[in-house]
Amino acid sequence: GQSLEQPSEVTAVEGAIVQINCTYQTSGFYGLSWYQQHDGGAPTFLSYNALDGLEETGRFSSFLSRSDSYGYLLLQELQMKDSASYFCAVRDPRDDRGSTLGRLYFGRGTQLTVWP
Amino acid sequence: NAGVTQTPKFRVLKTGQSMTLLCAQDMNHEYMYWYRQDPGMGLRLIHYSVGEGTTAKGEVPDGYNVSRLKKQNFLLGLESAAPSQTSVYFCASSLDRGRREAFFGQGTRLTVV
Repeated sequence: GQSLEQPSEVTAVEGAIVQINCTYQTSGFYGLSWYQQHDGGAPTFLSYNALDGLEETGRFSSFLSRSDSYGYLLLQELQMKDSASYFCAVRDPRDDRGSTLGRLYFGRGTQLTVWP
Repeated sequence: NAGVTQTPKFRVLKTGQSMTLLCAQDMNHEYMYWYRQDPGMGLRLIHYSVGEGTTAKGEVPDGYNVSRLKKQNFLLGLESAAPSQTSVYFCASSLDRGRREAFFGQGTRLTVV
């Protein structure tokens, strides 16, 4: 089976830093991704970690610890436009029969609200 | 730069009616996915395909069928719609399972009454 856990909502003020955590349990693992979704829009890719450590992309950073089955998304210098839902996602290279098919699973999402 | 295109964008069905949602991608991607999104439930995988002519079940496949006759198209069918299938449906594609990024269509908002 597979599950991804992340907080349902987070609030912060403009200019602040916020961290969104994700823990996962999958039968296989092929990388942790983060997606952003504004209300009424499509999810868009933010970052990806295949190996342990921190990946930085502008104001956003993502961290992975495979031994802890844990990752987080760090958003710095928050802006109003960052108010959105954030999803962690994992690629599981194996299905229940053990064949190598790459399913992409998502967590339930974290609603981030940035206040002025 | 079309990317992933879903049709239709909105649809209202009566219980028991059937319909097909079309997903088309112009990026020559091997992997395609259908998800449904319900409030508080995130994105749940319905079916997916790892290449032309292949399909496989995801987390919530019951009540849906899919086909991938052409590499660029992935069809999601509802044979007998039920109110529980009221949702927003997203299609996504990625180059292969080793690639980091999946690209999403703009979604289809389906209401079954």
